Amino acid sequence: DAGVIQSPRHEVTEMGQEVTLRCKPISGHNSLFWYRQTMMRGLELLIYFNNNVPIDDSGMPEDRFSAKMPNASFSTLKIQPSEPRDSAVYFCASSLNEKLFFGSGTQLSVL
Amino acid sequence: SQQGEEDPQALSIQEGENATMNCSYKTSINNLQWYRQNSGRGLVHLILIRSNEREKHSGRLRVTLDTSKKSSSLLITASRAADTASYFCATEEAKTSYDKVIFGPGTSLSVIP
Repeated sequence: DAGVIQSPRHEVTEMGQEVTLRCKPISGHNSLFWYRQTMMRGLELLIYFNNNVPIDDSGMPEDRFSAKMPNASFSTLKIQPSEPRDSAVYFCASSLNEKLFFGSGTQLSVL
Repeated sequence: SQQGEEDPQALSIQEGENATMNCSYKTSINNLQWYRQNSGRGLVHLILIRSNEREKHSGRLRVTLDTSKKSSSLLITASRAADTASYFCATEEAKTSYDKVIFGPGTSLSVIP
């Protein structure tokens, strides 16, 4: 198995632009998580899905953030409009038997 | 919100020494996990200990859990330079029916050759 695949690996954009981060979880995993990592705040849970259904989005910072999981093999995290304070590494993880498997992350820089 | 808090924030040791990291948490949990992150990479699962377990081993790793003190420790024995990484504890809260996993701020470990 290729593991959790995230794209793009790096994203540089200007303030106000829409950003879409993509994630392909490991086949057979029924839970998917989006985390954001910064030096100041560490790893923050943004949202998690179970069987493609959003269960808890209380960590989504603002209405500018939205996440979807249209099927078991794909999820997106969208920021519209983006702001410099959104700069961070965004991780997607899928889980099986309570263990999380992380992608390599998307390094987002909003200028 | 963060559930776990690791201690120390940073640790520097000589190769061959043992490294101990501690984690404290606030609420009742189903399990506690430890993850490792190398610079610029995603987190990698190391070990999981359930709330009814007190100690678990995996290779050079030893994890203990004290639910009465809401704390856990990770011991890495005979450390190697390749163990240099950040280590995170993560808890699955007991009140949730789904596997909501919250991470602590992590301990940065440097193993000097």
